[in-house]
Amino acid sequence: DAGVIQSPRHEVTEMGQEVTLRCKPISGHNSLFWYRQTMMRGLELLIYFNNNVPIDDSGMPEDRFSAKMPNASFSTLKIQPSEPRDSAVYFCASERGSYNEQFFGPGTRLTVL
Amino acid sequence: AQSVTQLGSHVSVSEGALVLLRCNYSSSVPPYLFWYVQYPNQGLQLLLKYTTGATLVKGINGFEAEFKKSETSFHLTKPSAHMSDAAEYFCAVSDPRAGANSKLTFGKGITLSVRP
Repeated sequence: DAGVIQSPRHEVTEMGQEVTLRCKPISGHNSLFWYRQTMMRGLELLIYFNNNVPIDDSGMPEDRFSAKMPNASFSTLKIQPSEPRDSAVYFCASERGSYNEQFFGPGTRLTVL
Repeated sequence: AQSVTQLGSHVSVSEGALVLLRCNYSSSVPPYLFWYVQYPNQGLQLLLKYTTGATLVKGINGFEAEFKKSETSFHLTKPSAHMSDAAEYFCAVSDPRAGANSKLTFGKGITLSVRP
């Protein structure tokens, strides 16, 4: 199995631009999580999906952030417009319902100038 | 609401020395407990977990942790540190009442350094 796949691995953009991060979960996993990691705030859960349905988006920082999961094999996290304070590493993780054994992708390092 | 406390941000040990990383939790019910490890420039991976049963759980790479309800703790230990153990370690909790696919609450993480 290829594991959780995230793209791009690195993204550098300018303030105000739209950013789209992509995630392909492990086949057969029915839950997907988006996290953000920074030095200041640590690891934060942004949103998670069960069976492609958003369950909890209380961690999404503001309306500039949106996430979709159109099918079981793909999810996106979009930031529009991006701001320098959005600079972080964004992780996607998936789970098969095995009581929180989440499998993490390698992350996308986002830098907003 | 659940929370996790990992005191300190950095622990340094000598190669071959005992590793002890502390984790305390707050929860209205006995939670499920986890330790994840993050190596540089990688995502997190599960080290071990406690759900029910034996309170001493063994994980990968020689790590183990003991659930102590009276102390609300789940400290991670390894008898002898190896250079390859240098990483960031996260303790996490979840609410067993929420069922499978519920969310994890992570601590802030502790960076472990291993000196030659």
